[in-house]
Amino acid sequence: SQTIHQWPATLVQPVGSPLSLECTVEGTSNPNLYWYRQAAGRGLQLLFYSVGIGQISSEVPQNLSASRPQDRQFILSSKKLLLSDSGFYLCAWSVSTGAYYGYTFGSGTRLTVV
Amino acid sequence: ILNVEQSPQSLHVQEGDSTNFTCSFPSSNFYALHWYRWETAKSPEALFVMTLNGDEKKKGRISATLNTKEGYSYLYIKGSQPEDSATYLCAFVKGGADGLTFGKGTHLIIQP
Repeated sequence: SQTIHQWPATLVQPVGSPLSLECTVEGTSNPNLYWYRQAAGRGLQLLFYSVGIGQISSEVPQNLSASRPQDRQFILSSKKLLLSDSGFYLCAWSVSTGAYYGYTFGSGTRLTVV
Repeated sequence: ILNVEQSPQSLHVQEGDSTNFTCSFPSSNFYALHWYRWETAKSPEALFVMTLNGDEKKKGRISATLNTKEGYSYLYIKGSQPEDSATYLCAFVKGGADGLTFGKGTHLIIQP
């Protein structure tokens, strides 16, 4: 069966420090991968999605970047965190027709930038 | 920017009572509407994916309806139980898009 792993669960980072959040999927190949963020008082916002290795689409201009170095690995990064980067980050995967069949989410990372 | 609204924002319901809440979304260029259930400290769990106007889906005591022409979906919970306490998210997919646009959710609390 397919599983999705996301870590760390909680992270407190100072402003200006780098960030790396990792997400891996098991039990499937060539998944679509997504990074979402929920900032305080807001809904889940799509940040990046990827349909294949090295293919990244950004939905919202921001201080973050994403990479997909392997088929089932999706990384969210920042060179210098801002206070506004605080939030709850969720990774998700889907089959290529995920918009029709639905997504499977990881357990999330609570990021607090201080 | 796609506008997906959920109401109410939060809801307190007595155990055993039935309840419902709303998701409204753009009525043009509709492709799919998703409902997720999100418990604290857990991953959002898919409940329904709805694609056709007039769709009605059911999973145990939870059901959902879809009206794509007027741009709304209702989620119903019959005979609420404490384990139903969670945030219920709807997400809209427009034609040709790869991502879901989520509402802010309805936070449901079932009181014993």
